[in-house]
Amino acid sequence: EAQVTQNPRYLITVTGKKLTVTCSQNMNHEYMSWYRQDPGLGLRQIYYSMNVEVTDKGDVPEGYKVSRKEKRNFPLILESPSPNQTSLYFCASRQGASQPQHFGDGTRLSIL
Amino acid sequence: RKEVEQDPGPFNVPEGATVAFNCTYSNSASQSFFWYRQDCRKEPKLLMSVYSSGNEDGRFTAQLNRASQYISLLIRDSKLSDSATYLCVVTNSGGYQKVTFGTGTKLQVIP
Repeated sequence: EAQVTQNPRYLITVTGKKLTVTCSQNMNHEYMSWYRQDPGLGLRQIYYSMNVEVTDKGDVPEGYKVSRKEKRNFPLILESPSPNQTSLYFCASRQGASQPQHFGDGTRLSIL
Repeated sequence: RKEVEQDPGPFNVPEGATVAFNCTYSNSASQSFFWYRQDCRKEPKLLMSVYSSGNEDGRFTAQLNRASQYISLLIRDSKLSDSATYLCVVTNSGGYQKVTFGTGTKLQVIP
């Protein structure tokens, strides 16, 4: 089954404790992205990747890092999480630049 | 001005009604257009792509007006299961072809 898999689905943690949210897709897609969704603000892009070792900042990259060492994986790293990063996070992938995106189930992060 | 704008709603309509949503975009060079559906706290799911000639999928019809820079979604014979938030999505031109989401229009179909 074609899918984007994120883990964990839910996480409650404390300020400053490094965490990683994993994202994996099995569709051999080149393009992958991370978004956060907050009430009233919609989906905002954090980082994106056009291929292995090619990543770039989206609209709200501060406080986040990513890596793309393999085509299928695109982890999101919060080196020192803060409460303002409490949000619903989605990973997405797409086959080509003009193709629709496929989303993971989402990760709900709470930073206390 | 936001890159992609939608009326947030909510639109409360009775079962069987026809409802239409509009979405405007600011970048005239935008290339690809989509409607997604998002249920509460779940991932957005592709509803349909939007083509210049207009396209239909069952009870759903999407239209694109490049001259006026808006896209529309028409839902006929609304079902309770259509209750969700509908996201307008625009892909811009350029190497990466950035994807921009509207904040969504909430639809509530009532019995």
